[in-house]
Amino acid sequence: GAVVSQHPSWVICKSGTSVKIECRSLDFQATTMFWYRQFPKQSLMLMATSNEGSKATYEQGVEKDKFLINHASLTLSTLTVTSAHPEDSSFYICSAKGDLLPEAFFGQGTRLTVV
Amino acid sequence: GQSLEQPSEVTAVEGAIVQINCTYQTSGFYGLSWYQQHDGGAPTFLSYNGLDGLEETGRFSSFLSRSDSYGYLLLQELQMKDSASYFCAATDSWGKLQFGAGTQVVVTP
Repeated sequence: GAVVSQHPSWVICKSGTSVKIECRSLDFQATTMFWYRQFPKQSLMLMATSNEGSKATYEQGVEKDKFLINHASLTLSTLTVTSAHPEDSSFYICSAKGDLLPEAFFGQGTRLTVV
Repeated sequence: GQSLEQPSEVTAVEGAIVQINCTYQTSGFYGLSWYQQHDGGAPTFLSYNGLDGLEETGRFSSFLSRSDSYGYLLLQELQMKDSASYFCAATDSWGKLQFGAGTQVVVTP
């Protein structure tokens, strides 16, 4: 199957700082990338959808100024959590989809802890 | 509203067969996917149904009935390593996934 690499796999940051998470499709061109958040013992909630070269589409209730998404190329999307607070601590997961693939493939996820 | 319903937990013994049902009410439905997630890990793709019927992949099979807005994942010859959370997810034509709450499968010796 297609490979999606997400980095870092875990990060601890201080409250008020910003954290950038990268999502790369390694062996296919990802025309669309998705960012999810998962709190412990809960399901994955879609945060936003990004298409290469255009602005991301955010789900209702997700602050676009806090969660900055950039999809500058067909193989890379980044999520920046700005001015992080402890309540932003969560598991962030990206998935990527190419035009020729019926399914989206997930990265390994990033566990963010804000202290 | 949009929703996917699946049981919260299923317990079975090694070697048994488990069926996880999923009913959905979503707009723009394109297909139903199933993912496995172990504690602390990312979801792993298991199966996708774009058409009605049964898809078989080794010990795992998935079924979809669009007319009933219903699907299921069948786990056969259960192994201890199958203990995990299983999510059904409705896919739209863009590949966007809307997940159910997940079913915790517990396999006992």
